[in-house]
Amino acid sequence: DAGVTQSPTHLIKTRGQQVTLRCSPKSGHDTVSWYQQALGQGPQFIFQYYEEEERQRGNFPDRFSGHQFPNYSSELNVNALLLGDSALYLCASSPWFGATGAYGYTFGSGTRLTVV
Amino acid sequence: DAKTTQPNSMESNEEEPVHLPCNHSTISGTDYIHWYRQLPSQGPEYVIHGLTSNVNNRMASLAIAEDRKSSTLILHRATLRDAAVYYCILRVATGNQFYFGTGTSLTVIP
Repeated sequence: DAGVTQSPTHLIKTRGQQVTLRCSPKSGHDTVSWYQQALGQGPQFIFQYYEEEERQRGNFPDRFSGHQFPNYSSELNVNALLLGDSALYLCASSPWFGATGAYGYTFGSGTRLTVV
Repeated sequence: DAKTTQPNSMESNEEEPVHLPCNHSTISGTDYIHWYRQLPSQGPEYVIHGLTSNVNNRMASLAIAEDRKSSTLILHRATLRDAAVYYCILRVATGNQFYFGTGTSLTVIP
């Protein structure tokens, strides 16, 4: 059973460019969350998608946007890249939690984005 | 945001038990305590979670204080493969995101 798949694994972009990262959730999961992890830091929540809608959002600017497709896969888009956007971008999938904290995430291995 | 406090780093000898502490004094009655670990160049991996009672699984045990303001992840016999950053996270019941801290970097000494 494949877990969470992210592509590409590594990416180098220039300041001001736009980037799209992709995520396929674990089989049976319908909710996708995205996290940004700077070097030496814990992951920071960007946003979460369920039923093709953004359900919750962390403290990230509008340059960060996303999309979820009917097959539950998801994309993270970042516009007008800054040097500070260099990080490991993690996708995590789960069943929709509703009002319970009982379930956990399955994380992908991430996409390493370098902005030069 | 639900907050947790963990030591930045810990060391353990191989094949000895490891107790990783976590303080979460702002926890509310419906917040779940989750532990994840992250090996180098990988995404975080689920370890264990609990609400009030102590929990055991094949990877570890989770001991939760009676007032729930602290918890301890117990690795019964540390191996070199257990060297990782361990994150203690509060999963707010009414929200669907995890708030990670900086975690505890565990070094296992052969």
